[in-house]
Amino acid sequence: DGGITQSPKYLFRKEGQNVTLSCEQNLNHDAMYWYRQDPGQGLRLIYYSHIVNDFQKGDIAEGYSVSREKKESFPLTVTSAQKNPTAFYLCASSSVGGQFRKLFFGSGTQLSVL
Amino acid sequence: GESVGLHLPTLSVQEGDNSIINCAYSNSASDYFIWYKQESGKGPQFIIDIRSNMDKRQGQRVTVLLNKTVKHLSLQIAATQPGDSAVYFCAENMEGGSEKLVFGKGTKLTVNP
Repeated sequence: DGGITQSPKYLFRKEGQNVTLSCEQNLNHDAMYWYRQDPGQGLRLIYYSHIVNDFQKGDIAEGYSVSREKKESFPLTVTSAQKNPTAFYLCASSSVGGQFRKLFFGSGTQLSVL
Repeated sequence: GESVGLHLPTLSVQEGDNSIINCAYSNSASDYFIWYKQESGKGPQFIIDIRSNMDKRQGQRVTVLLNKTVKHLSLQIAATQPGDSAVYFCAENMEGGSEKLVFGKGTKLTVNP
C-alpha cells in the first residue's frame, strides 16, 4: 500500500539528548513536511522540502534540524536546543505540480521528555 | 493569531443525525480549503477539499459549503456514525503552496449511540 510511514510511534527524550524521528513515503511525492501538534492547537510547520538536498524553515524551526538525502525520506532531529519538545509530530507529503496540493499525513510520533 | 478558526470546539450528536462543523477564515485571498479528520493518536486523514471558485462540493456522506461573502466554511456529515467520532479541522491555502496551509484548531465530534 502507498503511504507515509513514521517511526517510532512513541519516543522518549532525556534532557540534553538529540532524537531523530523517521519519515518514509512511497507515494513518489516530491514535497515533504514536518508539523508539530500540541493539544488544542492547530498544526504548526517546522520544516519542509520540495526537492532532494533542499529544505526550508517553517514557522517554528528553532531547535530542530532535517535532511533530505533521498526523495523517499525526510528525518527530523529534535535537538537539545528545543526546550519544549513534548508534542505529537506529523510528517506529510504532497505532489509539487499544480496550485492546489493536498497533504497526506503519516500516523505521527508522540515525543515525550523523561 | 489564527487566521482559521472554528465556532465550536466540541459537538455531540446522536447516531443517525446530520452533523455540521463550522470554520471561519480571515483571509479573503484564500483560494483553497481542505477538511481533515483526525482520530485519537493518528494522523489527519483527508476528507474533502474545495476551491474558491465553488460554493459546494459533495463527497460520500459529506458536503462542504463555502460562503466567501462571510468567509465561512462548513462540513456536513450525513447520517453520522460512531466511526465519525474524531477531531475535524479545516485548513486554508493563501498562496498556493502546501507549505502555506494554515490549520484551524479543530472541533471534536462525538457520536452517541
